[in-house]
Amino acid sequence: DQQVKQNSPSLSVQEGRISILNCDYTNSMFDYFLWYKKYPAEGPTFLISISSIKDKNEDGRFTVFLNKSAKHLSLHIVPSQPGDSAVYFCAAEASYDKVIFGPGTSLSVIP
Amino acid sequence: DAGVIQSPRHEVTEMGQEVTLRCKPISGHNSLFWYRQTMMRGLELLIYFNNNVPIDDSGMPEDRFSAKMPNASFSTLKIQPSEPRDSAVYFCASSKDRFLDTQYFGPGTRLTVL
Repeated sequence: DQQVKQNSPSLSVQEGRISILNCDYTNSMFDYFLWYKKYPAEGPTFLISISSIKDKNEDGRFTVFLNKSAKHLSLHIVPSQPGDSAVYFCAAEASYDKVIFGPGTSLSVIP
Repeated sequence: DAGVIQSPRHEVTEMGQEVTLRCKPISGHNSLFWYRQTMMRGLELLIYFNNNVPIDDSGMPEDRFSAKMPNASFSTLKIQPSEPRDSAVYFCASSKDRFLDTQYFGPGTRLTVL
């Protein structure tokens, strides 16, 4: 049973608009969450993270929101750019335990 | 720093053959992870090491898979015998600390078993 879910396998957004990628988790012990970005033929790279003591973390065009009661987090990209086209992995970690990755969402930003 | 280095980048083999994937983590990193990416299951953790010691191998699919880390700068993932369902991209990643730390991924090895 997947503990980290990304129910949208793909998403298409117009350049300049907002991209919203969603992630749900089932394990209430998760207290640290990360987003990784992956281009074709490359390994994933870290994008942004959030601790469970926060509900928002922002880094430039990227903002992650965490709703602990709903066990839901989202990544907002504003404005979206063609270079943002990639696969985005949501990941979660419980204290002193391994990181669990979601299946990924493929984002296409259309010029 | 050169980042995490994996070799080979591509491997094509026939069913039943032994396959060895190699990884050199970033110098100074204490934890090393092996992942497999497939369309169906996404990115799944196979095994991870801390200070060269295997900590959790619960993700290793079966006895055909084995991993070693003889020293801080080298790790291998071996599949023997290989099967077509093992075809996937295998990633190695490393991090300074075992928990709550960014993992740095290598470029991956694309394995095709015919």
